[in-house]
Amino acid sequence: ETGVTQTPRHLVMGMTNKKSLKCEQHLGHNAMYWYKQSAKKPLELMFVYNFKEQTENNSVPSRFSPECPNSSHLFLHLHTLQPEDSALYLCASSQELGRTGTEAFFGQGTRLTVV
Amino acid sequence: DQQVKQNSPSLSVQEGRISILNCDYTNSMFDYFLWYKKYPAEGPTFLISISSIKDKNEDGRFTVFLNKSAKHLSLHIVPSQPGDSAVYFCAASRGNTPLVFGKGTRLSVIA
Repeated sequence: ETGVTQTPRHLVMGMTNKKSLKCEQHLGHNAMYWYKQSAKKPLELMFVYNFKEQTENNSVPSRFSPECPNSSHLFLHLHTLQPEDSALYLCASSQELGRTGTEAFFGQGTRLTVV
Repeated sequence: DQQVKQNSPSLSVQEGRISILNCDYTNSMFDYFLWYKKYPAEGPTFLISISSIKDKNEDGRFTVFLNKSAKHLSLHIVPSQPGDSAVYFCAASRGNTPLVFGKGTRLSVIA
């Protein structure tokens, strides 16, 4: 139990579907992240929120839409995805952006398959 | 351009021996370095870290070495155990930037 919970753990969706990934952290952290892990690639940072404000969008296509209603919850809304978007999507949190020397804690990830 | 590089995709080590995982970085502004361990179907878990003001940090069987002039860090696991078999990710950050990760090295510890 890392204190960061992601649901669902697995998701299969068609290219025309709309779905959402959910992340919740119980660590009192103020920064939350979405990462994408594809085979044989580094973990790719997608979005960063610090105190509910989006601070980074790493050139992510608009078919991925993040939402951070409060410091404990983070969503990733998905629509009209492509098969190449199939990957493991990881949520993470840390105390806050800007505090050097703090590690990020990860959820278990959502394995997404786009068919 | 990859700022954090793990050039060995995999490593096999016999149980009881030392495992050495390597990581190189290109951004001299990085000031904090971390190692994460990942089992299949789970998220990465934090293992050990080191600040740029140090050159060594030890925690039980795990030691991380930092060579700033070479922009290189390594993780030593001794003695290696079968339960250490996992993918190990090196990560780095500077100031208020999020972590930048390498591609990972899959470690297999053979009994």
